[in-house]
Order: sequence, then C-alpha cells, then structure tokens
Amino acid sequence: GAVVSQHPSRVICKSGTSVKIECRSLDFQATTMFWYRQFPKQSLMLMATSNEGSKATYEQGVEKDKFLINHASLTLSTLTVTSAHPEDSSFYICSARGSGTFKYEQYFGPGTRLTVT
Amino acid sequence: DAKTTQPTSMDCAEGRAANLPCNHSTISGNEYVYWYRQIHSQGPQYIIHGLKNNETNEMASLIITEDRKSSTLILPHATLRDTAVYYCIVSNTGNQFYFGTGTSLTVIP
Repeated sequence: GAVVSQHPSRVICKSGTSVKIECRSLDFQATTMFWYRQFPKQSLMLMATSNEGSKATYEQGVEKDKFLINHASLTLSTLTVTSAHPEDSSFYICSARGSGTFKYEQYFGPGTRLTVT
Repeated sequence: DAKTTQPTSMDCAEGRAANLPCNHSTISGNEYVYWYRQIHSQGPQYIIHGLKNNETNEMASLIITEDRKSSTLILPHATLRDTAVYYCIVSNTGNQFYFGTGTSLTVIP
C-alpha cells in the first residue's frame, strides 16, 4: 500500500523559534497533500490543503503567515511553524492523495509531536 | 465542518462483532463514506470506503442504507488491537476530509 512518512516524529523547540516538519509520499506521487492538527483528546482539524506547485489553501482561522506550507514536488510537502508559542504544541499529521488508484483515499503519515517550551 | 455524527464511545467483547453506526443525513450524491481509525498517538489508518453498495475487505464490512443517510462499520471478530477511535467521514473524491468526534471503541477481554 501507499506509505507516507513524516520527519521528525518528535520535536521540542523554544518559544519564538521556527520549526519545519516534512511529509513525504514514498511510493506514489501526491498531487494533493493535507495538513492536520490534533490537540489531546480531540479530533483531527484540517489546517490546509496544498496541490503540487500551487499555493496552499488554508482553512478558516488558520494563520497562513504562521503556518507556512510548501508543496514543491510530487513527493514532498513541508509545514513550517514560525515564531512558535506554547499554544502551538500539538500533534501535526499530514496526508497525501494521488491520482489513478491513489485518488480515492487519503494516506496518512504517522504524525509529528511538537512541544514548544 | 464534519457532516457525520457518531456515538462517543462503545464497548465490544473480544471475539464478537463490533457494529459502529454513523449518521450522514446530508450526504450528497457523489460523496463517498470513508472509515478510518486512529490508535493513540498514531496517524489515522484507512479501513474501508463505499458509495452506494455494501463493501467488504479483509478488515471490515461497510453497510450503507439505501437512502445513504447512515452506515455501519462491522468488525466481524473484534480483537484487543481493534481498540481505537473510529472516524466516519463523507467526502467527494479528491476533496478534503473534515473529521468529526469519532467513536472510541474499547474491546474488552
């Protein structure tokens, strides 16, 4: 089946710094990638949708200047949390969707646990 | 916003069938019903999806009512490893997923 990886799996950063999370589709071309955030004991919340080579579309209430998304290739998308604050601490999950047989599902990565101190 | 409603939690005895319901009364004609599950601190795992007909795979069966306003995910022989949060999602192919609160299934020995 299709595999999506994320790196790092865990990251701790100081308040005010930026952190980048990578999402890769390992065995298929991801025409669309999605970024979610999940707080403890809550559901996944969609943050943004990105299509390869295009600007990301952000959900209402998500600050595009704070959460920078780049989808420069068909196998890689990055999420950069800029000027992180403790309230940005969360579980960040990406997913990817392709074409052909890969267009029906979203394939999820294992998630990245961000802690801002 | 999520277009589905699910019970908050359910228990199931190990070895028995787990039947997880989902209401999606505002589903439109070209939207699929997807089921995913999430084990603690992991990414969601795909289980099954369907449009109109009932579907079965190695993990589960999906029963969709004729009016498509509700569906049931069936895990035929629940094991302890099936303990997870189960999410029912409706979406067009290629469109976003909006997750609801899901059902926390606990399989009891």
